[in-house]
Amino acid sequence: KAGVTQTPRYLIKTRGQQVTLSCSPISGHRSVSWYQQTPGQGLQFLFEYFSETQRNKGNFPGRFSGRQFSNSRSEMNVSTLELGDSALYLCASSFRSGRFGNEQFFGPGTRLTVL
Amino acid sequence: AQRVTQPEKLLSVFKGAPVELKCNYSYSGSPELFWYVQYSRQRLQLLLRHISRESIKGFTADLNKGETSFHLKKPFAQEEDSAMYYCALIASNTGKLIFGQGTTLQVKP
Repeated sequence: KAGVTQTPRYLIKTRGQQVTLSCSPISGHRSVSWYQQTPGQGLQFLFEYFSETQRNKGNFPGRFSGRQFSNSRSEMNVSTLELGDSALYLCASSFRSGRFGNEQFFGPGTRLTVL
Repeated sequence: AQRVTQPEKLLSVFKGAPVELKCNYSYSGSPELFWYVQYSRQRLQLLLRHISRESIKGFTADLNKGETSFHLKKPFAQEEDSAMYYCALIASNTGKLIFGQGTTLQVKP
């Protein structure tokens, strides 16, 4: 079974720009969660999408948004980029049902650098 | 508040020595707990889940609700165990994993 894929793998943007990251979950998984990983803050939850609806949201400003499509693929958008948004953005997918439904499988991440 | 604490940023042991990576959690309710591992230049991957009570790559972890701990143990460390280890909990019926800050395990030859 193919794993979680994320595109692009690397991005360089300048302050004020916006960016869109993409995540394709494991086939059959309906939940996609997004995380930000930085050396200082570690892994922090951004939001979760399930059946095209945002189900949970972390403590990030409204500049961070996302959506999910009917095929469970998800996109994350960050507008008005700031230097502090430089991070590795990870997405993870899960079934969200069944005994092991909460296990999340991670993609390789998108490395965003804001100059 | 929901929180996961891994008190050690770095744990360095010699090959063949026992390993214990500590994890304490704070959660009102019954959490699901996991250990994730990230080897150099690889993606984050699930190592153990507490509901399975299994042993993976020689690692085990027991949930102690009284001490709110979920420590990861291995009796004999191998060099290939060197990696970053994250303890995480998931609040019931959400897609939100709460991670500890991670512990780097360094196994010296």
